[in-house]
Amino acid sequence: DTAVSQTPKYLVTQMGNDKSIKCEQNLGHDTMYWYKQDSKKFLKIMFSYNNKELIINETVPNRFSPKSPDKAHLNLHINSLELGDSAVYFCASSQDPGEDTQYFGPGTRLTVL
Amino acid sequence: GESVGLHLPTLSVQEGDNSIINCAYSNSASDYFIWYKQESGKGPQFIIDIRSNMDKRQGQRVTVLLNKTVKHLSLQIAATQPGDSAVYFCAEKRGFQKLVFGTGTRLLVSP
Repeated sequence: DTAVSQTPKYLVTQMGNDKSIKCEQNLGHDTMYWYKQDSKKFLKIMFSYNNKELIINETVPNRFSPKSPDKAHLNLHINSLELGDSAVYFCASSQDPGEDTQYFGPGTRLTVL
Repeated sequence: GESVGLHLPTLSVQEGDNSIINCAYSNSASDYFIWYKQESGKGPQFIIDIRSNMDKRQGQRVTVLLNKTVKHLSLQIAATQPGDSAVYFCAEKRGFQKLVFGTGTRLLVSP
């Protein structure tokens, strides 16, 4: 039983395209996150949602738009993809914003050509 | 400024040895620290955590030490096994604020 799942696992696309990554957690958590991991393995938070409401937005370009249809799902839509968007994107969840343990999904490797 | 960094980018050990991975942080206001393990092609996996009111915490084959005086965190892995090969991240948190990750240390275990 996968706790935090993401689709797709790999995404290869051309510059300028629009793409989405989906995330679902079956842990009953209220808080979900999106992280970006660059080629040097540096992990940085992008967004955080608590019970479908945005609580953290880390100076991410407007081309990135998270959407949370319900508290078990947090999708990431990216418009006008750029070469610099190539990275591994991780979804995570925690019981609430103050809960310290975050559970990560398997990641989505995005390659922009 | 804030920073969570690691002293060594790569650590190579022999199977059966003890491993020590170090981490430095700069913000004395951080009250919670976590170690994550990331295997190739997978997401980070929680290993062990420690709060700022503690100096040491032990898990199964792992120990985390916190030295608040010098803002230093370490992860000790006893009897390192090939399955321990991964990238290890320390992360710090300040109350309800975001989790800040360090740059990671790659642990290579040779048989």
